[in-house]
Amino acid sequence: DAGVTQSPTHLIKTRGQQVTLRCSPKSGHDTVSWYQQALGQGPQFIFQYYEEEERQRGNFPDRFSGHQFPNYSSELNVNALLLGDSALYLCASSLGHRQSLNSPLHFGNGTRLTVT
Amino acid sequence: QQQVKQSPQSLIVQKGGISIINCAYENTAFDYFPWYQQFPGKGPALLIAIRPDVSEKKEGRFTISFNKSAKQFSLHIMDSQPGDSATYFCAAPTTSGTYKYIFGTGTRLKVLA
Repeated sequence: DAGVTQSPTHLIKTRGQQVTLRCSPKSGHDTVSWYQQALGQGPQFIFQYYEEEERQRGNFPDRFSGHQFPNYSSELNVNALLLGDSALYLCASSLGHRQSLNSPLHFGNGTRLTVT
Repeated sequence: QQQVKQSPQSLIVQKGGISIINCAYENTAFDYFPWYQQFPGKGPALLIAIRPDVSEKKEGRFTISFNKSAKQFSLHIMDSQPGDSATYFCAAPTTSGTYKYIFGTGTRLKVLA
């Protein structure tokens, strides 16, 4: 049973560039949430995609955008990268966009983005 | 107030001892409290979770204690093992019934052999 897979695992970009991160949800899951985890901090919610639409959004600027495909996979795009965007970007999947005890949030191992 | 305050920041426990991590919240609308375990280089993994209508939940060596009046919940790890050495996060959904979680700042646990 494949869990949540993310690519790439590591990425180095220059300030001002754009980046795309990819996520495949756990088999059977249809909802993808993205989190940003700065070093030594807890994850922070960026947004959630369900039925190819953004359903929830955290306190992140419009430079952060996303997309969900018909096969439930998702992309996170960040434009005009800043040094402060350096972090571990985590994708999490669930069955349905409403919290359920029977469908906990499953996280991938993340993409480590370094902006220089 | 959309915050979850976690303590301690770090914890060192002898093998076989009890590890206790605490979280406090202010928003009484929070209705689900999961604990996540994260190893270096890995994503967080759900350890155990509780709803506020239950005061305690136990799964193996892991127990969540919930104090609704004090707005606090705690993770107890009994018979701590070196393999438990990881960072632990408490969390709560900022919007009831959703996966839009707010996480605590984490507790780095080290269990000495």
